[in-house]
Amino acid sequence: DADVTQTPRNRITKTGKRIMLECSQTKGHDRMYWYRQDPGLGLRLIYYSFDVKDINKGEISDGYSVSRQAQAKFSLSLESAIPNQTALYFCATSDLNRETQYFGPGTRLLVL
Amino acid sequence: QQQVKQSPQSLIVQKGGISIINCAYENTAFDYFPWYQQFPGKGPALLIAIRPDVSEKKEGRFTISFNKSAKQFSLHIMDSQPGDSATYFCAAYGNKLVFGAGTILRVKS
Repeated sequence: DADVTQTPRNRITKTGKRIMLECSQTKGHDRMYWYRQDPGLGLRLIYYSFDVKDINKGEISDGYSVSRQAQAKFSLSLESAIPNQTALYFCATSDLNRETQYFGPGTRLLVL
Repeated sequence: QQQVKQSPQSLIVQKGGISIINCAYENTAFDYFPWYQQFPGKGPALLIAIRPDVSEKKEGRFTISFNKSAKQFSLHIMDSQPGDSATYFCAAYGNKLVFGAGTILRVKS
């Protein structure tokens, strides 16, 4: 969905490096989410934010942190990347209806 | 543990056939059950959704069947086409969206 953009689309990094994945949206939604996708595990929630001042941990937040710089921007950081963080990462947004989520195109991350 | 269990992991169907993907849940607080479709290189997108007060919802070739007492729901794709080849995720919403593990569907022409 072009309304939700993620950068970079692909990233290769080394163990121990700090990296940041960025998400921007033009949908005007207050709620933003970060998921990771692994084969056979589906999509798992890392962090979510209901507004700029509200940040919440999801089911797999260890090793990750987030920053909500503005309503439209939500960044995910890996403080010290490890190989088992190799995955496909998705940002999503939702409005006050909050049930339907709109996903970005994803970032494919490889940690060596 | 996975709150929404999805099966099968993968499915191969002939063109024109019926594709069926099943999901089961435990948490009775879930009140909204969407299905998302994901094509390679893309993010998931909402395909169809149902609330537990109805037993079936149909949109074109896609139908959700919902069994509240059994806590199960399924996606049926009628007249499956090669363009339907994708990964399908069921999900359930209580205060957050919880996804199943996904089903990779391949429709052979």
